[in-house]
Amino acid sequence: GAGVSQTPSNKVTEKGKYVELRCDPISGHTALYWYRQSLGQGPEFLIYFQGTGAADDSGLPNDRFFAVRPEGSVSTLKIQRTERGDSAVYLCASSLGVGGTEAFFGQGTRLTVV
Amino acid sequence: AQSVTQLGSHVSVSEGALVLLRCNYSSSVPPYLFWYVQYPNQGLQLLLKYTSAATLVKGINGFEAEFKKSETSFHLTKPSAHMSDAAEYFCAVTPQLSFGAGTTVTVRA
Repeated sequence: GAGVSQTPSNKVTEKGKYVELRCDPISGHTALYWYRQSLGQGPEFLIYFQGTGAADDSGLPNDRFFAVRPEGSVSTLKIQRTERGDSAVYLCASSLGVGGTEAFFGQGTRLTVV
Repeated sequence: AQSVTQLGSHVSVSEGALVLLRCNYSSSVPPYLFWYVQYPNQGLQLLLKYTSAATLVKGINGFEAEFKKSETSFHLTKPSAHMSDAAEYFCAVTPQLSFGAGTTVTVRA
């Protein structure tokens, strides 16, 4: 596709359930980033990948959060035992590499935990 | 870890006035720095970036930013604000692309 695609665009889930959020980066982009953004806040860094490996996962808030990128393209953010505090917009971005290259953002997945 | 701090969560300017948004970085190595803008109900888009080629960087829509190592700053400016500049602005630093808390700009007619 032409841009970064995130699915679903909206997800409502019950507290305690498991959710998966998908990110399709721009073709050829080796770096992929995940963030979450709450209303009125800046994007909060979660994890970034360089290729298939997580280069930095220091932003993952706890062990309920996990992300994979098995083939170096599509990535999935997985949240176990969701809590109401996990409600936010989850953003994905990709870039040709790390460093000074521009990151392009998807439209985000709005997660609501009820 | 690299991080940025944006001073001022909200800036209000008159149309035609100078826009100044402040960003200070914390980095143990020379950083790459970015300014992104988020218009209402839209995704983040790049305004400009600093990659060490030049300390004064020009971006889209008349914005520019100056990298000052001595002040660890990368402030964003625009000489004359337009109504269309009303948005939220974020500073970010590599390699994680960590973002600041953002500054909301409103423009008064």
